[in-house]
Amino acid sequence: SQQGEEDPQALSIQEGENATMNCSYKTSINNLQWYRQNSGRGLVHLILIRSNEREKHSGRLRVTLDTSKKSSSLLITASRAADTASYFCATSRGNTGNQFYFGTGTSLTVIP
Amino acid sequence: DAGVIQSPRHEVTEMGQEVTLRCKPISGHDYLFWYRQTMMRGLELLIYFNNNVPIDDSGMPEDRFSAKMPNASFSTLKIQPSEPRDSAVYFCASSQTILPNTIYFGEGSWLTVV
Repeated sequence: SQQGEEDPQALSIQEGENATMNCSYKTSINNLQWYRQNSGRGLVHLILIRSNEREKHSGRLRVTLDTSKKSSSLLITASRAADTASYFCATSRGNTGNQFYFGTGTSLTVIP
Repeated sequence: DAGVIQSPRHEVTEMGQEVTLRCKPISGHDYLFWYRQTMMRGLELLIYFNNNVPIDDSGMPEDRFSAKMPNASFSTLKIQPSEPRDSAVYFCASSQTILPNTIYFGEGSWLTVV
């Protein structure tokens, strides 16, 4: 990819379990965002974490950022079948922080 | 707001034909992005504009690809001539300068070149 990699590429879990996805990137960033893509649809923003933050929560989502390791993780707690989608991290860099590059995505399947 | 609007949603065209994809960004957003998504290469940033000016087109794969933004509410991505390897989903997205600079995506234009 142009910027980073998510892993695993695919993840299958039972409803109610937690899902953890990781993102690694290559260059220094302004912020990192996670997006979700349902099959056949555009990407939808989930959460943003700034480069000077280490952890952020939003509902059932928890994001961590380790700039020294150039990595981030997205945790979805108490997963639901409706969480089935692909998840992408996007890193913002450039002079204005408005140049976004996406990873390769993690395909999450939550089995009811 | 209606969100980012792309057209056409689906297009099937023959190799060698010209393809024009259209995008209307969210009103008030000053950044516009064109991305291409394929299974092999993931989501690639092709080009982006700020205040209608192209800032970085280093992701445009070849001279067959061109993009314009004649005003704040309209952009086009053109492929001429098209080739089968251009088959992909092309997304337009927009954002604003100030944080949170969330990117809002359109639903994509699904292009098949046969």
